[in-house]
Amino acid sequence: QSALTQPASVSGSPGQSITISCTGTSSDVGGYNYVSWYQQHPTKAPKLLIYEVNNRPSGVSNRFSGSKSGNTASLTISGLQAEDEADYYCSSYISSSSTLYVFGTGTKVTVL
Amino acid sequence: EVQLVESGGDLVQPGGSLRLSCVASGFTFRIYEMNWVRQAPGKGLEWVSYIGTSGTNIHYADSVKGRFTISRDNARNSLYLQMNSLRAEDTAVYYCARDIITGGESFDYWGQGTLVTVSS
Repeated sequence: QSALTQPASVSGSPGQSITISCTGTSSDVGGYNYVSWYQQHPTKAPKLLIYEVNNRPSGVSNRFSGSKSGNTASLTISGLQAEDEADYYCSSYISSSSTLYVFGTGTKVTVL
Repeated sequence: EVQLVESGGDLVQPGGSLRLSCVASGFTFRIYEMNWVRQAPGKGLEWVSYIGTSGTNIHYADSVKGRFTISRDNARNSLYLQMNSLRAEDTAVYYCARDIITGGESFDYWGQGTLVTVSS
């Protein structure tokens, strides 16, 4: 099972909006509404930002939003802030006899 | 406060074994499905294994199938990962992660991780 494809890096200025894509196949992203997004700061554990494509857990800023079209999911960060500089990973439930989840390759977000 | 605390990471030789533990607190452990996720140094996240609430529904990534065994002890609020026949490519920080209760197939809480290094 191959990792989902994300851009290696995305950058933006404070206050701007950026979008990170996550491309899979009909067996993962396109087949289920179980796409999640995680934020990871250096040396820290990942933090759940979005689940089921576009749902935010309690406590997550509404500047983070998710969407999906076909085999590609997207995470949009609006009103970019310095603390948003981190690595971001998408994840999807997959249809497989054993493997349940696949992560994306990861995207480094830089706030200019 | 939800807490997941991993332990057991160490330096081990190729072919060796190691057992990781994850102690949960701050929530009703027995009703949550649990997972192990790993991250090699400087690399991305890789899902490793899943276990259902009763311990009978189990899944593994192809990369660890036949070598790793996940288990849980609901009386002790603990999750385990027995790792055998370790390889250099198993070197990573191992996180235990809780499945979100809504069935949304996501991991809503993570431990701080424990480092496993496989090297001679």
